[in-house]
Amino acid sequence: QQQVKQSPQSLIVQKGGISIINCAYENTAFDYFPWYQQFPGKGPALLIAIRPDVSEKKEGRFTISFNKSAKQFSLHIMDSQPGDSATYFCAASIGGQGGKLIFGQGTELSVKP
Amino acid sequence: NAGVTQTPKFRVLKTGQSMTLLCAQDMNHEYMYWYRQDPGMGLRLIHYSVGEGTTAKGEVPDGYNVSRLKKQNFLLGLESAAPSQTSVYFCASSYGGAGLTDTQYFGPGTRLTVL
Repeated sequence: QQQVKQSPQSLIVQKGGISIINCAYENTAFDYFPWYQQFPGKGPALLIAIRPDVSEKKEGRFTISFNKSAKQFSLHIMDSQPGDSATYFCAASIGGQGGKLIFGQGTELSVKP
Repeated sequence: NAGVTQTPKFRVLKTGQSMTLLCAQDMNHEYMYWYRQDPGMGLRLIHYSVGEGTTAKGEVPDGYNVSRLKKQNFLLGLESAAPSQTSVYFCASSYGGAGLTDTQYFGPGTRLTVL
């Protein structure tokens, strides 16, 4: 049972463009929504995270937009760079349950020069 | 600090063999996790631990066992390996706080092939 659905599976963007990755969740008890970035041969690393009491969070070129009523959240990468080429995972968890993360399927982003 | 380390990095097993994957963290984290990563399926939680001496099942625990005898170590065991357990295994740890403080730090992974 996939509780977090992520799209698209792969994405190709030109340098300087905007990359957008979307996630939808089912369980309204989720209260923590992180995005992880993974480079080939490496483990995932936290990129940015949000709680549902805010609709947007921005850190540099990375922004999370959160729509609680639609049970959707998205990652926007502004001015995408070749160094952003990686696999991105959205995730969700419920506080007080051991920090267990439910991950989306992942999006492989390729930024072309 | 080394962060989260995993041993071994690669392993090939034959069906029915057993092995143990070792995860170690030097950040004094309370929580530790084992995930498997398969193409198109993201990362799925196998087992986790919220403290020394405790373990609990995740999404896909069947065929795996774990132990957390020391706070800094979390072991994942496969008693009788099957081809379906071919995957990349990641260990992670976190401080154990709630919400935005509960960042999980991942190790570099172990690529396991079961023939």
